[in-house]
Amino acid sequence: NAGVMQNPRHLVRRRGQEARLRCSPMKGHSHVYWYRQLPEEGLKFMVYLQKENIIDESGMPKERFSAEFPKEGPSILRIQQVVRGDSAAYFCASSARGTGGEKLFFGSGTQLSVL
Amino acid sequence: LAKTTQPISMDSYEGQEVNITCSHNNIATNDYITWYQQFPSQGPRFIIQGYKTKVTNEVASLFIPADRKSSTLSLPRVSLSDTAVYYCLVGDGGYSTLTFGKGTMLLVSP
Repeated sequence: NAGVMQNPRHLVRRRGQEARLRCSPMKGHSHVYWYRQLPEEGLKFMVYLQKENIIDESGMPKERFSAEFPKEGPSILRIQQVVRGDSAAYFCASSARGTGGEKLFFGSGTQLSVL
Repeated sequence: LAKTTQPISMDSYEGQEVNITCSHNNIATNDYITWYQQFPSQGPRFIIQGYKTKVTNEVASLFIPADRKSSTLSLPRVSLSDTAVYYCLVGDGGYSTLTFGKGTMLLVSP
């Protein structure tokens, strides 16, 4: 019963390169959330996706950031032309959105370091 | 979305009971209250969820008064491994985006 899987665990990029972060939700979950966490801070919501649909991207920066959750395969968070300020831990969560409250299951995160 | 307020930090000793209170004055009728725990370099982990009165599981208890404007997470007999950040979230079962605040940093000392 695998949980939410994120890879890579650590990602190092130079300024101007692209970063691709992957998230495979728990089996049976069709809703994915991406959060960003800076050191000593709480999690900041970025985007909420269902299969093939972006439901809420209000937390995504307007430029360089994009996310997708295709019909097949993992969800991808893409950051183009990375800058040092993009260095952070990026967490993915999934849910089944059953009745009752929302329960999120998180992955272990991807630590992005921009040199 | 209901905003939550919780203490920035708390200190305790091993074996003590710890109660962390969260305020959510504008909680909506359909909102549930959920608590998460986060260790350094890890994603948050679901602890407990409730709607009203009291909920208990193998890890914690959650107390919710009748007006639901606050909730208290109770950790019985904490150990050093309970040192973590605890987040209180409020949201409904329909479409909503759960917002994490800065949480409460619990430090358990020997």
